[in-house]
Amino acid sequence: KNQVEQSPQSLIILEGKNCTLQCNYTVSPFSNLRWYKQDTGRGPVSLTIMTFSENTKSNGRYTATLDADTKQSSLHITASQLSDSASYICVVSPMTSGGYNKLIFGAGTRLAVHP
Amino acid sequence: DVKVTQSSRYLVKRTGEKVFLECVQDMDHENMFWYRQDPGLGLRLIYFSYDVKMKEKGDIPEGYSVSREKKERFSLILESASTNQTSMYLCASTQGGRNTEAFFGQGTRLTVV
Repeated sequence: KNQVEQSPQSLIILEGKNCTLQCNYTVSPFSNLRWYKQDTGRGPVSLTIMTFSENTKSNGRYTATLDADTKQSSLHITASQLSDSASYICVVSPMTSGGYNKLIFGAGTRLAVHP
Repeated sequence: DVKVTQSSRYLVKRTGEKVFLECVQDMDHENMFWYRQDPGLGLRLIYFSYDVKMKEKGDIPEGYSVSREKKERFSLILESASTNQTSMYLCASTQGGRNTEAFFGQGTRLTVV
């Protein structure tokens, strides 16, 4: 079973509408939770990073929330634009003794924004 | 502007060939990573390096090796390419520490025929 599960797998919305993407994880304890945006054929680009003690983090029209008790995170996109069409990946970094960032990736949600 | 650059966007190689994928970062980062990404799966860690000449196996190292002779360069080597290594390969780098940003290259789409 994946340690980071995302839903839905894919989503189609109309331009201007809002949407929320979900991430459930079993990684515990964890150091931080990240959301990335990945355009087709490109590398992921960071949207937000939240440590285990943070509840919410915003980046423009993107707002991520974190509930460490239920081990759930969501990414809310406001007033969607055509350029939001991409895959959105939830990533959890477990608490480790090493100084490096071990990252556990979800499979992503593929979002298509239609005019 | 920070940069992680992968040497090729697209590669087509024949089964049995030795393949080199190169990654260079200009941020003086200590840690560098190689992942592969396949449809329906999350990125999976192949190898990582936390210092020059140091390397650690990730979750799927079989069939791969790496080299880090200089801090800014991390190479992934497929000793004898096979069709099941057809994939998108992504390089990333981070500074030391747990909550630091990870920067990714643009990816190399490798097809082994």
